Amino acid sequence: EVQLLESGGGLVQPGGSLRLSCAASGFTFSSYAMSWVRLVPGKGLECLSTISGSGGVTYFVDSVKGRFTVSRDNSKNTLYLQMNSLRAEDTAVYYCVRDLRQYSSGDYWGQGTLLTVSS
Amino acid sequence: DIQMTHSPSSLSASVGDRVTITCRASQSISSYLSWYQFKPGKAPKLLIYSASALESGVPSRFSGSGSGTDFTLTISGLQPEDFASYYCQQTYSFPLTFGGGTKVEIK
Repeated sequence: EVQLLESGGGLVQPGGSLRLSCAASGFTFSSYAMSWVRLVPGKGLECLSTISGSGGVTYFVDSVKGRFTVSRDNSKNTLYLQMNSLRAEDTAVYYCVRDLRQYSSGDYWGQGTLLTVSS
Repeated sequence: DIQMTHSPSSLSASVGDRVTITCRASQSISSYLSWYQFKPGKAPKLLIYSASALESGVPSRFSGSGSGTDFTLTISGLQPEDFASYYCQQTYSFPLTFGGGTKVEIK
């Protein structure tokens, strides 16, 4: 059974940093691109970043480019999102998603982890 | 960026009703359109991919249609577990954008 479990969310002050993790199981992790998507209260969904199965190709949406980085450890079946210079508008539920990339739907999602950026 | 627009943003319906949700893209996305179901506290679920292909395990009362810029998700015979929010997403080009969603509520 495919499972994606996000962790690392919490309360952070503006300007702070946080790293989210997504532990994957039930499939060959290195064979799939992975993405981070966030659901912003009252605003909707935003696909932030996509990383290839090997980790060699990444994409970031403009709103987080230069502040967020994505990486993966295929030996640990784990996806990461390093978030720096956090802003109030980054407050959201963050999801990891399997196989969401150009020309492909995200077929499995985690339950999400909540990040609140507030002083 | 490709803008995705849902219609309506919310609707009230009864169990057994046929429900139709529309999603329009600001430019042609061929058939690179997905539909997802969101319920509070649960992992979102892929329902439809490539505009009209039913994801494995999804009940056949869900169907999708359209290509180019106009797409539709239909639920034929709404069930209690279908009360949720539904989002379309284009995967034609980066950034991979979502519509604003349609919340289906109990009448």
